[in-house]
Amino acid sequence: AQKVTQAQTEISVVEKEDVTLDCVYETRDTTYYLFWYKQPPSGELVFLIRRNSFDEQNEISGRYSWNFQKSTSSFNFTITASQVVDSAVYFCALSEEGNFNKFYFGSGTKLNVKP
Amino acid sequence: DTAVSQTPKYLVTQMGNDKSIKCEQNLGHDTMYWYKQDSKKFLKIMFSYNNKELIINETVPNRFSPKSPDKAHLNLHINSLELGDSAVYFCASRKTAGAGTDTQYFGPGTRLTVL
Repeated sequence: AQKVTQAQTEISVVEKEDVTLDCVYETRDTTYYLFWYKQPPSGELVFLIRRNSFDEQNEISGRYSWNFQKSTSSFNFTITASQVVDSAVYFCALSEEGNFNKFYFGSGTKLNVKP
Repeated sequence: DTAVSQTPKYLVTQMGNDKSIKCEQNLGHDTMYWYKQDSKKFLKIMFSYNNKELIINETVPNRFSPKSPDKAHLNLHINSLELGDSAVYFCASRKTAGAGTDTQYFGPGTRLTVL
């Protein structure tokens, strides 16, 4: 079974729309970490955020916000007032106490922001 | 200053050839990784080294051989290249924290094309 599921393969929005990228994870460990990475068309993988399992506070960074809900095993990512530069593939990832060295990546969500 | 660097950025070669990709990190991290990203953008972990010791070895053909001369370098050698080896290969590094985990930081990727 997939440890990290990003059910949305591709999303298209028009600039200035808000968009939420879903991430659902599966783990039996009580201590774990969740991550989001961005891969723009240029190809590099850019770290966006890390959240540990004991911190359920939502995080906001400019137009980006993250909603961590243990009750639904979700760590969703919202972009407010999207811009063309937000067009990228976004990956959610999980690492678990059982083996922190290993990151489990979701399959990615491709976001297209049209002008 | 580049944190995780890979050379070359692009590699085009014929089937059957042997090639190497080099990775270096100047972050002082002790764990390094190789990932393969296929045309569908799926990120698959291949290997991981911690302080020059192999700690993750996923199901990868033995034509792929990693080598870590020191903890700042992790190279990937591929023998007898096949068409299916065409992909983008990412190197990543991470500092192992005793009480948890730190983020993986990725290199810019090496696009390998096998003709």
